[in-house]
Amino acid sequence: SAVISQKPSRDICQRGTSLTIQCQVDSQVTMMFWYRQQPGQSLTLIATANQGSEATYESGFVIDKFPISRPNLTFSTLTVSNMSPEDSSIYLCSCTRDRTYEQYFGPGTRLTVT
Amino acid sequence: GQQLNQSPQSMFIQEGEDVSMNCTSSSIFNTWLWYKQDPGEGPVLLIALYKAGELTSNGRLTAQFGITRKDSFLNISASIPSDVGIYFCAAVRSNFGNEKLTFGTGTRLTIIP
Repeated sequence: SAVISQKPSRDICQRGTSLTIQCQVDSQVTMMFWYRQQPGQSLTLIATANQGSEATYESGFVIDKFPISRPNLTFSTLTVSNMSPEDSSIYLCSCTRDRTYEQYFGPGTRLTVT
Repeated sequence: GQQLNQSPQSMFIQEGEDVSMNCTSSSIFNTWLWYKQDPGEGPVLLIALYKAGELTSNGRLTAQFGITRKDSFLNISASIPSDVGIYFCAAVRSNFGNEKLTFGTGTRLTIIP
């Protein structure tokens, strides 16, 4: 498995501002992912964070709105830019090791935009 | 896009009862995973299934990879209060270089005192 931490755990932000969420894994991992989840709902994949190259975004998500960095094999950041109330959600990062499909998740960042 | 339908959407049971839930799709998947999510936490991996027909246990939890590769089942025996939460199935098509998970709609388990 993997131990993942996220910062911040929650934040309340004003519309028009940006928030960067950090994801730290306790050891090197091959792939990292960013998800969005409304409370009680399923998870929606935002993008796959690739080490050494640009992130791969899912349909409906764009780099200008959700820039992602992955500077090494244990760390990634997701920025939610120019926030609006519709961005209020839980943001989760996850990772996989080696060539398995088992994803391990961080505790999430609960974002409220006012 | 792809979707995994979980049933039931919610369950209200008494402590000690057995629980069954399933996850179905119109598409074939080659890996099935079951997660549990507690309030304010990220999903926690419970069981991973890699072969059609496979039956795997983890304590009181048992999951099966459907023989058609379009479904999976999770059973919980003798439920206890800490089983409360939302259970998600997830699946992977295992295309080369594509490790994305597709998540189910979730089953919310509540234990009635």
